[in-house]
Amino acid sequence: EVQLVESGGGLAQPGGSLRLSCSASGFTFSRYWMSWVRQTPGKGLEWVANIKQDGSQKYYVDSVKGRFSTSRDNARNSLYLQMNSLRAEDTAVYYCARDANMSPLGYWGLGTLVTVSS
Amino acid sequence: DVVMTQSPLSLPVTLGQPASISCRSSQSLVHSDGYTYLNWFQQRPGQSPRRLICRVSNRDSGVPDRFGGSGSGTDFTLEISRVEAEDVGVYYCMQGTHWPYTFGQGTKLEIK
Repeated sequence: EVQLVESGGGLAQPGGSLRLSCSASGFTFSRYWMSWVRQTPGKGLEWVANIKQDGSQKYYVDSVKGRFSTSRDNARNSLYLQMNSLRAEDTAVYYCARDANMSPLGYWGLGTLVTVSS
Repeated sequence: DVVMTQSPLSLPVTLGQPASISCRSSQSLVHSDGYTYLNWFQQRPGQSPRRLICRVSNRDSGVPDRFGGSGSGTDFTLEISRVEAEDVGVYYCMQGTHWPYTFGQGTKLEIK
């Protein structure tokens, strides 16, 4: 069974940093593109970033470029999102997700809440 | 960025009746590889999103066959043949053809 478990969320001050992790199990992690998607409270979904199987390609939504960085450790079956220079508008539940059936976001984790506030 | 526009945003439906959600994109979603990366997601209250349909019309594993997707180019539709109580939630379309991936605003399905 595919499982994705996010961790690392919490309260951060504006301008601060957090590092999210996503632990994967139940599949061969190194074979899949992985993504981060966020959902602001009471609002919709926004794709944040994704990363190729070997980490050689990464894409980001404009609003996080230069502040967020995604990486992966295939030996540890883990995905990461380093978030720097956090803003209030980054407050959201962050999900990691895996591609499936040749299309994005086939499996999702439970999410981790990030709150940016002074 | 590609803008995804869903309608309606609110969808009250009687149990056992059909439901339909429209999704339009601001540009064609046909990828250079020939596929159309239009997906549909369901988010039940308090849960993570779950993908129902990928590449316009392919149901994901475990998705009931009362859910169906259709469309091409810039116009797409999610149809539920007979709504059940467990279908309550918010439905999103999403395009994965152009960077960045973008979602529709969501359609809230409720039982009348």
